[in-house]
Amino acid sequence: AQSVTQLGSHVSVSEGALVLLRCNYSSSVPPYLFWYVQYPNQGLQLLLKYTSAATLVKGINGFEAEFKKSETSFHLTKPSAHMRDAAEYFCAVSEEPSQGGSEKLVFGKGTKLTVNP
Amino acid sequence: EAQVTQNPRYLITVTGKKLTVTCSQNMNHEYMSWYRQDPGLGLRQIYYSMNVEVTDKGDVPEGYKVSRKEKRNFPLILESPSPNQTSLYFCASSPLARWAYNEQFFGPGTRLTVL
Repeated sequence: AQSVTQLGSHVSVSEGALVLLRCNYSSSVPPYLFWYVQYPNQGLQLLLKYTSAATLVKGINGFEAEFKKSETSFHLTKPSAHMRDAAEYFCAVSEEPSQGGSEKLVFGKGTKLTVNP
Repeated sequence: EAQVTQNPRYLITVTGKKLTVTCSQNMNHEYMSWYRQDPGLGLRQIYYSMNVEVTDKGDVPEGYKVSRKEKRNFPLILESPSPNQTSLYFCASSPLARWAYNEQFFGPGTRLTVL
């Protein structure tokens, strides 16, 4: 069964600094990987997804993530943080059913990002 | 507009009083799912459905029921709510097609408080 570990339940950065949110996954077949963002008092919105095409995936709002199979990682980055990036971020993993994987979406526990002025 | 809707958005109730949270999607998706979100625990799946009349337990199904009589609707039923079911609930849907890569679309959430 697939699983996700997000290192750091809270990350704090200054406005303009690099954002790095860590995600490691476990999967028995090639995975599909997602980052979702949850702004305060809102639902989950897809930031980006990896589906076995390019290993560097660009998403909305200037975020990107790199799939590294050797490290089983899918870390989320943004070169310069904005105040509006303050939110909770969830990494999630799923698998290709035709390869014997599970279509179930398994989430990490989330990382709350604080951006300081 | 393609969306997943949930009602109510906020609900305060008392222990033992049956309640239903509705979920509806207008994207003709086969797959629908319910999650609960608790601080420090992320999102945990309660129940899911692969299609009409097909439902199955997720990771935390105790105390919940679901039904899928129509493709678009997937209500969550708490027959006898207890305080430990106080949580933020999300409904999600996904097309069961290879091109979709299992991406799920989420509703706005229902904040439930059980006193």
